[in-house]
Amino acid sequence: QQQVKQSPQSLIVQKGGISIINCAYENTAFDYFPWYQQFPGKGPALLIAIRPDVSEKKEGRFTISFNKSAKQFSLHIMDSQPGDSATYFCAASLNNAGNMLTFGGGTRLMVKP
Amino acid sequence: DAGVIQSPRHEVTEMGQEVTLRCKPISGHDYLFWYRQTMMRGLELLIYFNNNVPIDDSGMPEDRFSAKMPNASFSTLKIQPSEPRDSAVYFCASSGGLLGTQYFGPGTRLLVL
Repeated sequence: QQQVKQSPQSLIVQKGGISIINCAYENTAFDYFPWYQQFPGKGPALLIAIRPDVSEKKEGRFTISFNKSAKQFSLHIMDSQPGDSATYFCAASLNNAGNMLTFGGGTRLMVKP
Repeated sequence: DAGVIQSPRHEVTEMGQEVTLRCKPISGHDYLFWYRQTMMRGLELLIYFNNNVPIDDSGMPEDRFSAKMPNASFSTLKIQPSEPRDSAVYFCASSGGLLGTQYFGPGTRLLVL
């Protein structure tokens, strides 16, 4: 019930293309869905986050789409750049579990120039 | 703020030795998390603290692992005795407030020979 499943495990996109990473969850009590970005040799860092009361959130080239009925959410990276090459993690948290996050398995994105 | 500080950044040790990893959370944060990251298992939550009290240690792999948080500005993760399969990157993260944003440190890369 606590799992967050993420796909694909790896993704190769041409510069300027759209990168799409998907996540699915089971626990309907989750109420906070962040995405973290991790560069090699660094710790993960918050990229963008959404709550289930909205269906979409956009910050620059990054957009989260949220489908509450399907229990799915996705990250779209528009106009992907080589500098976006990193590992992306989706996560979810319960409102009564403090700030504990359940992370997906990660997606390694490579943007080719 | 300097962010989450971890030490050492790299540790190479021999099997059977004791290893101590250190973490200084962001000042004012009341949650502290220890994670382990490997290629095979991804990002795993080992234990987390709230107000210096361990809340959930179900992710601690076995009794060889222990964690303490003697005060709000310091935590340790100890492995005794260490084994080659403990080789991984260990991250400390802290958070505070309602949003649950976790801020990760740079990690400690541990190699047990």
